[in-house]
Amino acid sequence: GENVEQHPSTLSVQEGDSAVIKCTYSDSASNYFPWYKQELGKRPQLIIDIRSNVGEKKDQRIAVTLNKTAKHFSLHITETQPEDSAVYFCAAWTVNQGAQKLVFGQGTRLTINP
Amino acid sequence: DTGVSQNPRHKITKRGQNVTFRCDPISEHNRLYWYRQTLGQGPEFLTYFQNEAQLEKSRLLSDRFSAERPKGSFSTLEIQRTEQGDSAMYLCASSLTRRSGANVLTFGAGSRLTVL
Repeated sequence: GENVEQHPSTLSVQEGDSAVIKCTYSDSASNYFPWYKQELGKRPQLIIDIRSNVGEKKDQRIAVTLNKTAKHFSLHITETQPEDSAVYFCAAWTVNQGAQKLVFGQGTRLTINP
Repeated sequence: DTGVSQNPRHKITKRGQNVTFRCDPISEHNRLYWYRQTLGQGPEFLTYFQNEAQLEKSRLLSDRFSAERPKGSFSTLEIQRTEQGDSAMYLCASSLTRRSGANVLTFGAGSRLTVL
């Protein structure tokens, strides 16, 4: 089945700097890759996603890149702000014998230092 | 209907007791997913429904776990004879099936279970 690996597990950056989180996946048939942000005690919220027919997508300070050949994708946050502090999860959409689901990475705890 | 609703938000129970969680998805969504999340980990898939049909169950879901979605709307997740290892956040998510296959999942706030 699908396996999603996420790195780093913790990341601390200075306010205003950039943060990059990387994920790899194992199922070459995966075609959808969302990123969720989860603040303490709250639900995971979708912040950006990318489908396998594009290599990059940007939304203001957030961008995601996808390399299908290497089976990895990354989240880039520029001009980080204190409210960006949270746990970020990558995920890959997998189809296994007709069943369909998201498989999540282990998460990255991002801390923005003022 | 502004989102996915789960209740109870918190449940504390003694080992061996049964617990039931309820999820009300976004009304037009035909798919409903259950995930489990333990501290410091990503959500782990448990099971999902398309309308009232349960299409997949994870190996994580022992025979003490059962989920239903009887009318294709709300869903319940029951855990029988709870164990301390069942302590976790149980997340529900719903989605609307796309022709292209991949679905955008919207999560509820979760039901936190503590087994003493």
